[in-house]
Amino acid sequence: KAGVTQTPRYLIKTRGQQVTLSCSPISGHRSVSWYQQTPGQGLQFLFEYFSETQRNKGNFPGRFSGRQFSNSRSEMNVSTLELGDSALYLCASSLEWGDGYTFGSGTRLTVV
Amino acid sequence: GDSVTQMEGPVTLSEEAFLTINCTYTATGYPSLFWYVQYPGEGLQLLLKATKADDKGSNKGFEATYRKETTSFHLEKGSVQVSDSAVYFCAPSTYGGSQGNLIFGKGTKLSVKP
Repeated sequence: KAGVTQTPRYLIKTRGQQVTLSCSPISGHRSVSWYQQTPGQGLQFLFEYFSETQRNKGNFPGRFSGRQFSNSRSEMNVSTLELGDSALYLCASSLEWGDGYTFGSGTRLTVV
Repeated sequence: GDSVTQMEGPVTLSEEAFLTINCTYTATGYPSLFWYVQYPGEGLQLLLKATKADDKGSNKGFEATYRKETTSFHLEKGSVQVSDSAVYFCAPSTYGGSQGNLIFGKGTKLSVKP
């Protein structure tokens, strides 16, 4: 079965711009979570969506937002990009709590 | 709050050596426990899991046992290969909130030399 698909794989943006990342979960998985991974901070939780509703939210500024569509696909948006937003953004889906996540390969965002 | 502590890396071993990566956690309730592995340039892959006390998760020669009394979930492999070189993350589940549904530590980088 198809895994979690993230697009694009790589992205280069300029400070001040905004960016949208996309995630298609495994078919049937209704929970989608997003993480930011950097060498300094490690894995940091951004938010989780379940059936189109944000269920949990990490400690990130309001420039980071997301949404989930009726087909469970999810997008995250970062506005007014800063150099510190350069990171690997990982999306993960799960069937239900306690099952663990299946991760995508990530989107590598570089802000210049 | 809920947290996880992994041994500091990097860990460097010779091929066929025995591997142990320690993991201890504090979590509310009765979490499920997971080990994830991340190869260079990739996302995380679920390596193994355990959902109740004394359960042993295993996969690809790796094992970990859910020890409720010591709140630990140490990862072991009897004979590592160069292809096992990666970063390993221990992750207990939690009940959501600002940490999400899994708590990730900083990971332990393993390098296996031929």
